[in-house]
Amino acid sequence: SQKIEQNSEALNIQEGKTATLTCNYTNYSPAYLQWYRQDPGRGPVFLLLIRENEKEKRKERLKVTFDTTLKQSLFHITASQPADSATYLCALVGGSNYQLIWGAGTKLIIKP
Amino acid sequence: EAGVAQSPRYKIIEKRQSVAFWCNPISGHATLYWYQQILGQGPKLLIQFQNNGVVDDSQLPKDRFSAERLKGVDSTLKIQPAKLEDSAVYLCASSPRTSGENEQFFGPGTRLTVL
Repeated sequence: SQKIEQNSEALNIQEGKTATLTCNYTNYSPAYLQWYRQDPGRGPVFLLLIRENEKEKRKERLKVTFDTTLKQSLFHITASQPADSATYLCALVGGSNYQLIWGAGTKLIIKP
Repeated sequence: EAGVAQSPRYKIIEKRQSVAFWCNPISGHATLYWYQQILGQGPKLLIQFQNNGVVDDSQLPKDRFSAERLKGVDSTLKIQPAKLEDSAVYLCASSPRTSGENEQFFGPGTRLTVL
């Protein structure tokens, strides 16, 4: 069955450093992959989408890579700030109706 | 632009009781989703509507869950009777159309506790 894995343990990063989150998947060949941010008590908020033929996508301090050979996406936040602390979810687009298949998310904690 | 609205924000019920959640998507969005998110997990799709038709409800426990989207705008999700394992956050999302390139816009969710 399709499986998506994200770091289950919280990631603690010092302010100003680059945070890197990993999303691995198996038994799947998605055409698109999306990253979302979720704060406690709120719904996920879309951050970035990357297509299978794109190696890298950037938006301000965010960068996403997509390696279809390794079946992995990396999500980077450069110059991290305490306000970046949240849970980050990756989601693969799949199925005949473009449903999102979600990872469990990685909790990121940026320490001042 | 107003976001996705959901109500109530919180609900506590006893097992075997019934409960209903309401969602109003972003105006003009054709696709509406209901998700269940258990603590520590990613959202799980329950049902997907395109306008007022069901596109996918393969993961909806149809013996107890039902959903409708009359007139292709707002939607309700009902659980009857509730079980302890239904305790979760129920998220509603919408997108302009069904496409892999469309982001989904989420409401704040309804936190359900079944005692």
